Amino acid sequence: DAGVTQSPTHLIKTRGQQVTLRCSPKSGHDTVSWYQQALGQGPQFIFQYYEEEERQRGNFPDRFSGHQFPNYSSELNVNALLLGDSALYLCASSPATSGSYNEQFFGPGTRLTVL
Amino acid sequence: GQSLEQPSEVTAVEGAIVQINCTYQTSGFYGLSWYQQHDGGAPTFLSYNALDGLEETGRFSSFLSRSDSYGYLLLQELQMKDSASYFCAVRPSGFQKLVFGTGTRLLVSP
Repeated sequence: DAGVTQSPTHLIKTRGQQVTLRCSPKSGHDTVSWYQQALGQGPQFIFQYYEEEERQRGNFPDRFSGHQFPNYSSELNVNALLLGDSALYLCASSPATSGSYNEQFFGPGTRLTVL
Repeated sequence: GQSLEQPSEVTAVEGAIVQINCTYQTSGFYGLSWYQQHDGGAPTFLSYNALDGLEETGRFSSFLSRSDSYGYLLLQELQMKDSASYFCAVRPSGFQKLVFGTGTRLLVSP
């Protein structure tokens, strides 16, 4: 059973560019959340997708957007990249039952470097 | 809002017992979770306390006291592979997101 997968593993971009990160949830999971983790800090919630809609959003600007596809996979898009966007971007999945959100399954992340 | 504070680093030797504390300020939450993250790896779920008290899972135990706004993760019979960062996290009431603590880096030496 494949866990959560993310691509690419690493990415280098320059300021002002746009980036798309991809995530496939664990089999049987239909809810996908995205987190940003700066070096030495805990993950910060960006947003969550369920039934192809953004259900909740953290304190991130509109430059951060996403999408969920009918097969539950998801994309994170970041426009007009800033140096401060350099971080590890984590995707987490869970089934859509109330108690399951306390145990989220994380992918290995995409390390984004903005130069 | 929510904030969860943890010690930045804890060191211990193989075979020892270590406790990682988590103090929080939050208006309401469903429970306290703990995650382990090795360098370059994904956070992995360790334990969850919905109610006050102690939960035991093998070598790991977790404790929650809502009246004291405090929880901890207890690791017994430490092994070198336990060297990692550990995060406490809460799911705020009415939300499906997790809010993570500042993280504790555990270094286990021979």
